[in-house]
Amino acid sequence: GQNIDQPTEMTATEGAIVQINCTYQTSGFNGLFWYQQHAGEAPTFLSYNVLDGLEEKGRFSSFLSRSKGYSYLLLKELQMKDSASYLCAVRDSNYQLIWGAGTKLIIKP
Amino acid sequence: KAGVTQTPRYLIKTRGQQVTLSCSPISGHRSVSWYQQTPGQGLQFLFEYFSETQRNKGNFPGRFSGRQFSNSRSEMNVSTLELGDSALYLCASRAGQGANEQFFGPGTRLTVL
Repeated sequence: GQNIDQPTEMTATEGAIVQINCTYQTSGFNGLFWYQQHAGEAPTFLSYNVLDGLEEKGRFSSFLSRSKGYSYLLLKELQMKDSASYLCAVRDSNYQLIWGAGTKLIIKP
Repeated sequence: KAGVTQTPRYLIKTRGQQVTLSCSPISGHRSVSWYQQTPGQGLQFLFEYFSETQRNKGNFPGRFSGRQFSNSRSEMNVSTLELGDSALYLCASRAGQGANEQFFGPGTRLTVL
């Protein structure tokens, strides 16, 4: 079967750095996505990786290793507004998005 | 540009009833996907429509169906509602099948009693 694993919850301190991991086993691979979802709101797009390596976008970076079935989202200079759930999703060979259950990130002052 | 809109935002139904949810994508977007979100389960893909044709379908029973109109608006129907259908139903649109970024609507919170 297809599976996306990510930690259920993480806690970090304001101003610090946090890395949220995502491992996947899917039928084929056509890209990996990270979305942010604040409580009670719709998910919003953060990043897309299809080739190995690091993609940097401001305070957020996303890394992909296709051979290891692994990605991480790196958040730097954490702010209270970064408290949210972070969703990892993989597009499989049928171009269908398979989603992880999400990682709830709690930022403490 | 207006975002993705979904109606209604909240809905309470009883077991056995049916429900229709509506989604209007961002103007110009022709692809609409539907997801079910439940706590601890993440998003589960229901189906995707592009130019009025269903392009992809998730592993949901036949009670879940959808359609897309010529103006790209989409509806999702669930018949013979079960308690387990209580969830947040999210609609997302993208410019085309090759576009990577999906834009989500606020969702419809369905409660089945």
